[in-house]
Amino acid sequence: RKEVEQDPGPFNVPEGATVAFNCTYSNSASQSFFWYRQDCRKEPKLLMSVYSSGNEDGRFTAQLNRASQYISLLIRDSKLSDSATYLCVVVYSSASKIIFGSGTRLSIRP
Amino acid sequence: EPEVTQTPSHQVTQMGQEVILRCVPISNHLYFYWYRQILGQKVEFLVSFYNNEISEKSEIFDDQFSVERPDGSNFTLKIRSTKLEDSAMYFCASSERSVRGTSGSTEQFFGPGTRLTVL
Repeated sequence: RKEVEQDPGPFNVPEGATVAFNCTYSNSASQSFFWYRQDCRKEPKLLMSVYSSGNEDGRFTAQLNRASQYISLLIRDSKLSDSATYLCVVVYSSASKIIFGSGTRLSIRP
Repeated sequence: EPEVTQTPSHQVTQMGQEVILRCVPISNHLYFYWYRQILGQKVEFLVSFYNNEISEKSEIFDDQFSVERPDGSNFTLKIRSTKLEDSAMYFCASSERSVRGTSGSTEQFFGPGTRLTVL
């Protein structure tokens, strides 16, 4: 099983739709979780950290489920500018490893 | 807004040559990182650096690689005896606090990357 796993997509949804991605991780010793977005041929940029209690930032909601070992990202009222690849990042404290998922591609159509 | 810068944006080298990739992290950041992303693949952690020494490194970061902070602003990645499979985008990142911190862990800011092509 991969350490961090994401559905590669692509998710193709109409503007205004709600879309959600999950990311599963295999090591229960994980400590910190993040969602990044990466535009084509650009650097990753932090979208949001994921806190144990779940957190929201505008149209974006992130949640952590430690029991099932996954994190999720929900995007409401999607915009054309949300089209990107969304990367899940897990940091393992025990092995001090920073692991990126392979990303989920999202395409918003007008 | 402060940003991480990297030079060059594109480096072409012959197999077996040594390359040095340069990064200028954000000035008040203390933690520095190198990642690579082979075309079409995921971002892979190489190394993190704090207080003038390597704090963590991945299996990829073998003796072929080294990092250095030669002065107060630059952070470099040296790749010796380059191989074809070293061709990738190399990203530098910096953060104010450790990414392994507690809730509210700090953001890593990524540079625009150096595309390394080994011929």
